[in-house]
Amino acid sequence: DIVMTQSPSSLAVSAGETVTINCKSSQSLLYSGNQKNYLAWYQQKPGQSPKLLIYWASTRQSGVPDRFIGSGSGTDFTLTISSVQAEDLAIYYCQQYYDTPPTFGAGTKLELK
Amino acid sequence: EVQLVESGGGLVQPGRSMKLSCAASGFTFSNYGMAWVRQAPTKGLEWVATISYDGSSTYYRDSVKGRFTISRDNAKSTLYLQMNSLRSEDTATYYCTRGRLGYYSSYFDYWGQGVMVTVSS
Repeated sequence: DIVMTQSPSSLAVSAGETVTINCKSSQSLLYSGNQKNYLAWYQQKPGQSPKLLIYWASTRQSGVPDRFIGSGSGTDFTLTISSVQAEDLAIYYCQQYYDTPPTFGAGTKLELK
Repeated sequence: EVQLVESGGGLVQPGRSMKLSCAASGFTFSNYGMAWVRQAPTKGLEWVATISYDGSSTYYRDSVKGRFTISRDNAKSTLYLQMNSLRSEDTATYYCTRGRLGYYSSYFDYWGQGVMVTVSS
């Protein structure tokens, strides 16, 4: 199975700051046939089900604010949230879908100071 | 509006069975692969099983192979998960999800609200 490692496990930020969440895969998620990275990001707010934010490593899902930016390629990926707002309090997960089983990172909990 | 509504969870004794259902609406159900993803209390997300758009192909995580069966009824726009020989480690919230790709592995663009399954004596 492809292992997804997220860092940090938690972080506290003030509203308006920019935050970066890292995700590293145990093997490359870049498929040479289409040059796409098979990596998604989800947001799970307290008491809610996960919500898709980003797929193909950098494509925002419809309706997701443009302050959420996905980047990276191969084995190293980043989710950047610019100008963090109180509503962004959540746990963020990365997920690879390059191979079965699809696997998730352990999550990064975003807390506001 | 896409909606996925799970039902059928609850408390069950170890070794017994339970069947989850997921009623889908707001999209053409028969065009999409579907999956179950679970989350143990205070833990992360774990993929459980996937079924192709027409039900001809199914995939399972190793720990549930031979115990769980994913199925679908496209005429009723409903997804199922039959869980047999349940273990305490199967205790989790089970989410019904829509797979965006028509492959055996996918990202999941819509999630249900989840249904809790507790395996305990």
